[in-house]
This record gives sequence, C-alpha cells and structure tokens, in this order.
Amino acid sequence: AQSVTQLGSHVSVSEGALVLLRCNYSSSVPPYLFWYVQYPNQGLQLLLKYTSAATLVKGINGFEAEFKKSETSFHLTKPSAHMSDAAEYFCAVSLGGTSYGKLTFGQGTILTVHP
Amino acid sequence: EAQVTQNPRYLITVTGKKLTVTCSQNMNHEYMSWYRQDPGLGLRQIYYSMNVEVTDKGDVPEGYKVSRKEKRNFPLILESPSPNQTSLYFCASSPRQAAGPGYTFGSGTRLTVV
Repeated sequence: AQSVTQLGSHVSVSEGALVLLRCNYSSSVPPYLFWYVQYPNQGLQLLLKYTSAATLVKGINGFEAEFKKSETSFHLTKPSAHMSDAAEYFCAVSLGGTSYGKLTFGQGTILTVHP
Repeated sequence: EAQVTQNPRYLITVTGKKLTVTCSQNMNHEYMSWYRQDPGLGLRQIYYSMNVEVTDKGDVPEGYKVSRKEKRNFPLILESPSPNQTSLYFCASSPRQAAGPGYTFGSGTRLTVV
C-alpha cells in the first residue's frame, strides 16, 4: 500500500522568497515520486520525478526536490518565488513494477505568491 | 502534438441518465487512468488500465465503469449518475517505463449531476 501526505493545504510566500512545499510518503517498497502543478482551470503538468537515480531531482521552472529515505520525504523547493508560481501543487507516489499504473496523490498545496 | 484529449469539457446531467466521458491519447502509451478531483481531497484514482483489455480498480471505483478495447481510448462510463459524482474528472496516460515522462493529463471534464 502507498500513501502521500502534504503538510499544509495553503502556503503563502513573498515574491523572491524561498518556496518549500512538504511531502511525506508511506510505501512498503522503494517508491517512484512525482510533483505535479495545476494552474487554474487547467490539467496537471509534471514538474519533476524521482525514479531511484539521483536523490536530488531538478525539474522545470527552477523547482527541485530531494528524496530522503530516512525521513520518507520528498519536499519541493524553489530558491526564489515568482508570481507565475502561484498554483496548486500535488505530490504523488507509485510503487513501480506492475503497480506503476496506480498513482496515489496527496491532498494538494495551494501556493500564493505576494508582490 | 502529443496529448490526452477528453470530451466533453463540461457536462450537466440529471440523476440516473447514463453518460460516457471519452478519453483518447496519441502517444501509444500502455497505461491509462481516470481520476476525480474534489476540493481538499486531491486527486483520487477511479480506475486504471495497464494495457488493452487489462483494467483494475483504483481507490474510488464505485459507480463507474471503464473499458480498454483499443490502446488509445479509455472511456469512463457512469451507468446511473448520482449527485455525489459531481466532480472534476481527469484522464491520464503514461508509458510503461518508470523512467519515462510520467503521466500526461487531459484538460479535465467538469461534471455536474442534478
């Protein structure tokens, strides 16, 4: 079984400040981990993914995430927030192998960026 | 252009009237999946398919049916819709390889059941 918990349903930052969105997972085997972004009235876009290669994963739009097995975490960061980063962000996990198709999402974190 | 296409984008229907939401992908992906998105609950998987004629239940399959007769199509069927199925629905597809690009999502179908 697998599950994902995103800490904080809303995060607010100032433009130029560090963005940190938290994600913890539960998995019985090494997981595949994903971050998706959803802009208003749009579908989901893949930001980055961890598939057991490098633990520090770089994605699009300056985002990155670090896989920490000891902490069962996959937090998303960006050094300097931009107004265009305002969106809802989802962390997701799958177990790979024959269970790869079963992708489980967290509840989402809405990021607000203030001028 | 590589994409997942859902139709319709918006649908209002009445309780009990059967409906189908279509989903098609042009990337030759093996995996396809349906999700519903509700405020505060994130996305919950309804059904997924690992290949033609191979489907499995997700976390919230009750009240839904799917079929995968062709690789590119994965329709979602609500035989007798109820108001608690009012939601935003997403179809997604992915290649089998985990090192691939992950799931590609459609633009969504907003369903209202009155």
